[in-house]
Amino acid sequence: DTAVSQTPKYLVTQMGNDKSIKCEQNLGHDTMYWYKQDSKKFLKIMFSYNNKELIINETVPNRFSPKSPDKAHLNLHINSLELGDSAVYFCASSQGRGGQPQHFGDGTRLSIL
Amino acid sequence: DQQVKQNSPSLSVQEGRISILNCDYTNSMFDYFLWYKKYPAEGPTFLISISSIKDKNEDGRFTVFLNKSAKHLSLHIVPSQPGDSAVYFCAAIPWSDDMRFGAGTRLTVKP
Repeated sequence: DTAVSQTPKYLVTQMGNDKSIKCEQNLGHDTMYWYKQDSKKFLKIMFSYNNKELIINETVPNRFSPKSPDKAHLNLHINSLELGDSAVYFCASSQGRGGQPQHFGDGTRLSIL
Repeated sequence: DQQVKQNSPSLSVQEGRISILNCDYTNSMFDYFLWYKKYPAEGPTFLISISSIKDKNEDGRFTVFLNKSAKHLSLHIVPSQPGDSAVYFCAAIPWSDDMRFGAGTRLTVKP
């Protein structure tokens, strides 16, 4: 009974394609996040979302869009994939924002050929 | 701008000894500081946190110290165990804003 699960674990695709990564949490949390871990291993916030507010990191290209069908899911859609999108993407959730610890999924390794 | 810095990419410690992981930050508006532990091919796992109004928080073998005047925090693990070998991320969060992570320190605990 994984708390935060994301699929797929690995995604290999070609430049220019459109892909989605799914994320689900069963913790009853009201806030979900997407992070990108780049080649230098920095974890950088991309989006944070609860049922009231979507906050987008201004450095994230608009080819990336989060979609939340319900409180337990926050999927990441990526259009027109580029080589620089290759990274590990982590989904996370928390109860509220502020100082609440976030629970992370195991990551999706995206490789662009 | 890297507001949270972990200047040591790696640390090696003998089993049973103390591990001290360090973290510096630049933003005085951070309200909470957290440590996460990450094993390969897994997501980060929350370990321990500290509020900016405290200078110490202890949970079993893990203690976090906060020195606000120096904008520095540290994680002490004692005694260190081989299962503690992982990458440790320091993170900081200002109230109602998003978490900032350091680059991580790889801890190796040798038997």
